[in-house]
Amino acid sequence: NAGVTQTPKFQVLKTGQSMTLQCAQDMNHNSMYWYRQDPGMGLRLIYYSASEGTTDKGEVPNGYNVSRLNKREFSLRLESAAPSQTSVYFCASSGGTSGQETQYFGPGTRLLVL
Amino acid sequence: DAKTTQPTSMDCAEGRAANLPCNHSTISGNEYVYWYRQIHSQGPQYIIHGLKNNETNEMASLIITEDRKSSTLILPHATLRDTAVYYCIVGHTGTASKLTFGTGTRLQVTL
Repeated sequence: NAGVTQTPKFQVLKTGQSMTLQCAQDMNHNSMYWYRQDPGMGLRLIYYSASEGTTDKGEVPNGYNVSRLNKREFSLRLESAAPSQTSVYFCASSGGTSGQETQYFGPGTRLLVL
Repeated sequence: DAKTTQPTSMDCAEGRAANLPCNHSTISGNEYVYWYRQIHSQGPQYIIHGLKNNETNEMASLIITEDRKSSTLILPHATLRDTAVYYCIVGHTGTASKLTFGTGTRLQVTL
């Protein structure tokens, strides 16, 4: 069981470039999430997907798009990267009993936008 | 979702119990208390959660006051590997529970 995996681990982009962060889970979880964490801050929710085929905005969705490709995979796309998007991005999944869902996190993708 | 208040940092000697407090005075009846920790830039790790009763697992114990306005996470025998940022979060029931992470408590375990 790999749990939650994320690719790439590190990425450097120039302003205006686009990229997709990939996330996959092998725990058969229904729900998946994307967070960002800026230095010295807590995690902030970007988007989440309660189940396959659905996505919803979180606290900081501007500048991002997501795709729930199937039950396993949830990708995050930056269409036109900006320096303000320099951050560590974490993907998570959950699927326990409703109301007691615990989230399992991936190792993160460190993104630097120049 | 209810907000939480935690001390910015705490120290604990190795082998001693670490008691991490959390205030959540605006918690509603169907909100759970969750604890996660983040070890040096890794992804957060789930520790424990509870609704109103005290809970214990292999990692920690969670003590929730009777009025549910505060809780304490207890690491019974802290080790150096427990040095991390600990997040206390309250969350609603339902699928895709959205967790709001604050800045947490930075626990430093020392020799």
